[in-house]
Amino acid sequence: AQKVTQAQTEISVVEKEDVTLDCVYETRDTTYYLFWYKQPPSGELVFLIRRNSFDEQNEISGRYSWNFQKSTSSFNFTITASQVVDSAVYFCALSEAGNTDKLIFGTGTRLQVFP
Amino acid sequence: DAGVIQSPRHEVTEMGQEVTLRCKPISGHDYLFWYRQTMMRGLELLIYFNNNVPIDDSGMPEDRFSAKMPNASFSTLKIQPSEPRDSAVYFCASNLGLPGELFFGEGSRLTVL
Repeated sequence: AQKVTQAQTEISVVEKEDVTLDCVYETRDTTYYLFWYKQPPSGELVFLIRRNSFDEQNEISGRYSWNFQKSTSSFNFTITASQVVDSAVYFCALSEAGNTDKLIFGTGTRLQVFP
Repeated sequence: DAGVIQSPRHEVTEMGQEVTLRCKPISGHDYLFWYRQTMMRGLELLIYFNNNVPIDDSGMPEDRFSAKMPNASFSTLKIQPSEPRDSAVYFCASNLGLPGELFFGEGSRLTVL
């Protein structure tokens, strides 16, 4: 069965600190997708990234970076030099090849960045 | 461009009443999803449509819940009769077909007393 675990319920950092949000997934499929979404205080979820299971290359987008490691079934998200605007709940999600539209979300990590 | 539009943003109702939540997806998106978010169960997919046709409704909790998409620009999620355990934030999302790249609305917060 597919499952996404975000063990960190809440993280607090001070502005300019780096922070890593952990995500561990379970799936029996060899083909799958992984995602990160951001839910700011306004409520709507915002898509950040999609990764397919055949692409383990790490990705960097500005202050955001993602580390995908199939060996440990992890897809971690790092924010470098965090800012107050990064405060949000971050969700990791998984979908499988047979049903790529059905996202299984983790429970989320609430990140608070203090000035 | 307008995003996904949901109404009402907040709804407070009494147990047993009918509740209708509405969603207008982004124009041109041919997938539409209804999610529910609660503290206890997190984000759950209730149902999704492709080209107005329901594809997977396995997440709909019970017969009290129903969803329709009469045309490409409108969908409803109805709960009849409502119960206190239905209290949650209900999100609508739409998608162009790129796997998992959903555009969410701001949600409808439902409170059933």
